[in-house]
Amino acid sequence: AQKVTQAQTEISVVEKEDVTLDCVYETRDTTYYLFWYKQPPSGELVFLIRRNSFDEQNEISGRYSWNFQKSTSSFNFTITASQVVDSAVYFCALSTTGNQFYFGTGTSLTVIP
Amino acid sequence: EAQVTQNPRYLITVTGKKLTVTCSQNMNHEYMSWYRQDPGLGLRQIYYSMNVEVTDKGDVPEGYKVSRKEKRNFPLILESPSPNQTSLYFCASSLSISYNEQFFGPGTRLTVL
Repeated sequence: AQKVTQAQTEISVVEKEDVTLDCVYETRDTTYYLFWYKQPPSGELVFLIRRNSFDEQNEISGRYSWNFQKSTSSFNFTITASQVVDSAVYFCALSTTGNQFYFGTGTSLTVIP
Repeated sequence: EAQVTQNPRYLITVTGKKLTVTCSQNMNHEYMSWYRQDPGLGLRQIYYSMNVEVTDKGDVPEGYKVSRKEKRNFPLILESPSPNQTSLYFCASSLSISYNEQFFGPGTRLTVL
């Protein structure tokens, strides 16, 4: 069975703090893809990053970074020097060769000015 | 502009009254999908389509129907809506199966009384 767990339901940080959003996934497939999406208060879903199961390199994009570790089945997302505009719900998702997408329950991040 | 459109954006209806939520994309994407978003449950896949005339069930297909007669359109049909289908619905499309990120529509907020 495929599953994505985001154990942190809500997180609050003060502006400029770093914050890490956790994502743990389950799959028996050897080929799979992991995604992060952002849902700001306006409601749209915005793609942030994709990672395939064969690429464990960490990724950095500005203040955002992602740590993919197959050994722990985790794909964590870190925001450095958080800003108020980072306040949103963040979803981790998994897709496999079975053509379905599985989303976690989301982490609601509030950045306090 | 590349986009996924959904109509209507908001809908209040009564139990048992058939309704259709339309979804259209202008990116020539093969893969299209419907999700529902509920508090605490994240996004759950209802149905997906890998191409014209090819549809398959996601995790929560009960009470829903879909069709894919044209590549660009993927309507969601509720033949006899019930209050437990009150939710926020998103349509999404991607270039191909699994690998590519999904582009999401703006969402349809459905209330069934």
